[in-house]
Amino acid sequence: AQKITQTQPGMFVQEKEAVTLDCTYDTSDQSYGLFWYKQPSSGEMIFLIYQGSYDEQNATEGRYSLNFQKARKSANLVISASQLGDSAMYFCAMRGADGTSYGKLTFGQGTILTVHP
Amino acid sequence: DGGITQSPKYLFRKEGQNVTLSCEQNLNHDAMYWYRQDPGQGLRLIYYSQIVNDFQKGDIAEGYSVSREKKESFPLTVTSAQKNPTAFYLCASSIALARDTQYFGPGTRLTVL
Repeated sequence: AQKITQTQPGMFVQEKEAVTLDCTYDTSDQSYGLFWYKQPSSGEMIFLIYQGSYDEQNATEGRYSLNFQKARKSANLVISASQLGDSAMYFCAMRGADGTSYGKLTFGQGTILTVHP
Repeated sequence: DGGITQSPKYLFRKEGQNVTLSCEQNLNHDAMYWYRQDPGQGLRLIYYSQIVNDFQKGDIAEGYSVSREKKESFPLTVTSAQKNPTAFYLCASSIALARDTQYFGPGTRLTVL
């Protein structure tokens, strides 16, 4: 079974500063994918960034980067130069590639990020 | 513009009634998914479909049913057998089941009165 753990229920950051949102995962699959989604108060899930388990370099997408440490089973999201519009719930998710987890996304509990002016 | 639409945005239902949530995509994606989100929680998979006329149960399928008669459409029926149906429901799609990112619709908030 797959499991995603986000240990920070809420995080606060000052505008223009960087923030790291933690995510650890557990899986017995050899191949898997890790995702981060943003959910603003409107409810829609917005895809931010993806990391494959065999990717050697950390993924980056604009102000978002994923700090992937495979041995520690962690996939932390780093947001640089925070903006007020970054205030939202952030979810880490994992897609399995083997057996019963094939193709399915498993989500963590989420972290609420608040950006202060 | 391509995307995923869900309707209605808000839905109210009396206990004992079945209700159907709509999900349509024009992304030409083969795979579609339904998730449920409870307040302050992550998403849980209800049903998914790899291709037309095929669908599989997810982790919390009891009390729900789906159909996939067209590639673009994946409606979810919340039946009276679902014990606690009040939740936020999100539909998603991807190019294929284990490829590419899942993209989400805007969601439907269902309240049972």
